[in-house]
Amino acid sequence: TQLLEQSPQFLSIQEGENLTVYCNSSSVFSSLQWYRQEPGEGPVLLVTVVTGGEVKKLKRLTFQFGDARKDSSLHITAAQPGDTGLYLCAVLTDSWGKLQFGAGTQVVVTP
Amino acid sequence: KAGVTQTPRYLIKTRGQQVTLSCSPISGHRSVSWYQQTPGQGLQFLFEYFSETQRNKGNFPGRFSGRQFSNSRSEMNVSTLELGDSALYLCASSSNTGSSYNEQFFGPGTRLTVL
Repeated sequence: TQLLEQSPQFLSIQEGENLTVYCNSSSVFSSLQWYRQEPGEGPVLLVTVVTGGEVKKLKRLTFQFGDARKDSSLHITAAQPGDTGLYLCAVLTDSWGKLQFGAGTQVVVTP
Repeated sequence: KAGVTQTPRYLIKTRGQQVTLSCSPISGHRSVSWYQQTPGQGLQFLFEYFSETQRNKGNFPGRFSGRQFSNSRSEMNVSTLELGDSALYLCASSSNTGSSYNEQFFGPGTRLTVL
C-alpha cells in the first residue's frame, strides 16, 4: 500500500483549461511537498505546505493542504503547454531528509 | 550557484557487471540522498549521507551501496547488475539545517540501462 495516493495517474487537457491533481493518505503529516519533473530532468520543488487548511499560490498554481493534514490538492488555472510534466507529492518521513513520493500524475497540456 | 551535477548522464551495462555513479552537490550542502525512479515503482529512497556518514537506508539489497567524500561529493555503486536495476538514478542535495522541511535539490539523474 502506497503511503501517498495520487490521482489521476494521467491527465491530458487543452491549453486554457483548468485541472486539479490530488494527493491522499490515511496518515497525518507535519508537511507535504509538491514537485514537478520534466522529461530528462530531476524533480523541482514547487511548494511546501505545513498548516492544515493552508492555501498557497504560485502564479496559476494553487496548492491546498487538507484541514486534517492527510491530503493535498494542486489546481492549475488556464493551463499552458509549459505546465506539462510529472507532478509528484512527497512527505519527509524522518528528520534526515528521507522523502517518500506518491506515484505521480502525468499532465500533458496541448496547444 | 551551480546546481547538483550527476555523471554520467547515460550508461549502458550488461547483467552481472557493476556500475558507479557520481553526484556533486550544491556548494555548501552536506547532505546527499539517492533515489531510484522506475515506471513501475516510482521514486524510491536508496540512502542518505551527511558528513561522510550514511544516516539512512532504504529497502534495497546490499548490491546497492554508496559513500560520501570529505568534499560532500557522493558515489553510489551497484554490483552484479540485474535487468530490474534499469532506472533513472537521482541524487539530491540539501543544506539539512535541521528543519522538518529542508528543501532538497535534485540533479538531472543518470539513466542506467542494463541489457
